[in-house]
Amino acid sequence: ILNVEQSPQSLHVQEGDSTNFTCSFPSSNFYALHWYRWETAKSPEALFVMTLNGDEKKKGRISATLNTKEGYSYLYIKGSQPEDSATYLCAEGAQKLVFGQGTRLTINP
Amino acid sequence: NAGVMQNPRHLVRRRGQEARLRCSPMKGHSHVYWYRQLPEEGLKFMVYLQKENIIDESGMPKERFSAEFPKEGPSILRIQQVVRGDSAAYFCASSRQLDREDGYTFGSGTRLTVV
Repeated sequence: ILNVEQSPQSLHVQEGDSTNFTCSFPSSNFYALHWYRWETAKSPEALFVMTLNGDEKKKGRISATLNTKEGYSYLYIKGSQPEDSATYLCAEGAQKLVFGQGTRLTINP
Repeated sequence: NAGVMQNPRHLVRRRGQEARLRCSPMKGHSHVYWYRQLPEEGLKFMVYLQKENIIDESGMPKERFSAEFPKEGPSILRIQQVVRGDSAAYFCASSRQLDREDGYTFGSGTRLTVV
């Protein structure tokens, strides 16, 4: 993998359901993996920064895992709410972050 | 505790004019980053600055683009002789230091339209 890739590109989930999506990144020369939440007309908001293989972080209903050996991270949202609707970005790097294209999540009430 | 402030929010320039985009980092942050989002594309790194120093400008186009972060005042991204292809959203982010545990704090962006 040469770039940071996210899948799926977009996702529609029913309110109350749980969901997850993937970020793949080059496993060589790994520094840190960032997750951001980006609502329309607002600025990206940092969710997690992960550095250690096997790391798992949690913030409320949102959690993330990291596998640096195989180059992927998962973001999980438990019990989706309408306010979770946003684009979720991942990025890898140090000062110079390489961003994925994002996963656009829509929660249907 | 204001976050990262960018201005203007929207900027319209005619081809050939200059565009100046300003970014005031979050209080206590000494590292500033500029990213560009072209239409239908993701965020792309442009430049990383600390006070009075350009640390990494590997993402900056070779011509017409420059950035500074003076001792006093905001960071400025300057685009000379703008062309239609410069139309994009330009985001500034800041951080305290090169700390692997900190994410960036982003501004709301400046949307540049070249007509």
